[in-house]
Amino acid sequence: AQSVTQPDIHITVSEGASLELRCNYSYGATPYLFWYVQSPGQGLQLLLKYFSGDTLVQGIKGFEAEFKRSQSSFNLRKPSVHWSDAAEYFCAVGAWYGGSQGNLIFGKGTKLSVKP
Amino acid sequence: NAGVTQTPKFQVLKTGQSMTLQCAQDMNHNSMYWYRQDPGMGLRLIYYSASEGTTDKGEVPNGYNVSRLNKREFSLRLESAAPSQTSVYFCASSGGTGFDEQYFGPGTRLTVT
Repeated sequence: AQSVTQPDIHITVSEGASLELRCNYSYGATPYLFWYVQSPGQGLQLLLKYFSGDTLVQGIKGFEAEFKRSQSSFNLRKPSVHWSDAAEYFCAVGAWYGGSQGNLIFGKGTKLSVKP
Repeated sequence: NAGVTQTPKFQVLKTGQSMTLQCAQDMNHNSMYWYRQDPGMGLRLIYYSASEGTTDKGEVPNGYNVSRLNKREFSLRLESAAPSQTSVYFCASSGGTGFDEQYFGPGTRLTVT
C-alpha cells in the first residue's frame, strides 16, 4: 500500500538559513508526489508537484523539491528561509482507494519554526 | 471569488447529537473532498465526490455521510457524534482528479464532549 513518511515532526531554522524537509514514500510504480503548506489557522496550499520528467521541480514561494527514485525520497528545499515560511508542511503521494478516481495520502507533517 | 467556504467555523456537540458541515466552492470544480486533521496524523480523506451525483469512500468514512447537493455544494453529516470525531474538518475541491491541485477551505473545528 502507498504511504508517506515525514521523519521530522518539528524543525527550527534561523531566518536566512537553508532548509530541507524530508519525505519518503512507498509506492510500487512511478509515484505522483506533492508538497502542501498550511499556515496557522488556514487550509492547505499546493507548493509543487511531481508527475514525471525532470526530477527537480520548482514551486511557488521559492521552494523546490527533488525526486530520487533510488532513495524513495522527495525532499523539499529552500535556499534562504523567511520568517513568513513558518508553517506546517505536508508531503503527499497519489493513491487509489478504489472508487472513481485517485486521491492523496498525506504524511503527518513537519512543523517549521523560524528564528529571527 | 470566495474559493472554498465552510460553515460553521467552530462547533461543540454533545455525544449522540447530529450535525451537518456545509461546504461550497465557486470555481466550477468537478471534484470535492472532505478531510479530517488530527494532531500528529496529517490529513485523512473521509469521502470524496468526483462529479455531481457521485460520492465515494475515502480512508476513514465510518461514522460519516455525505451529500453532493449540486456542483457547488458538498456536505458532511455526523448522525451520532462521538468524542473520536473531535477534529478539524477541511473541505477541498479540484478541477479534475485528486491529483490536480486541491483548493482548501479554512476548516471547521469540531469538539464532541
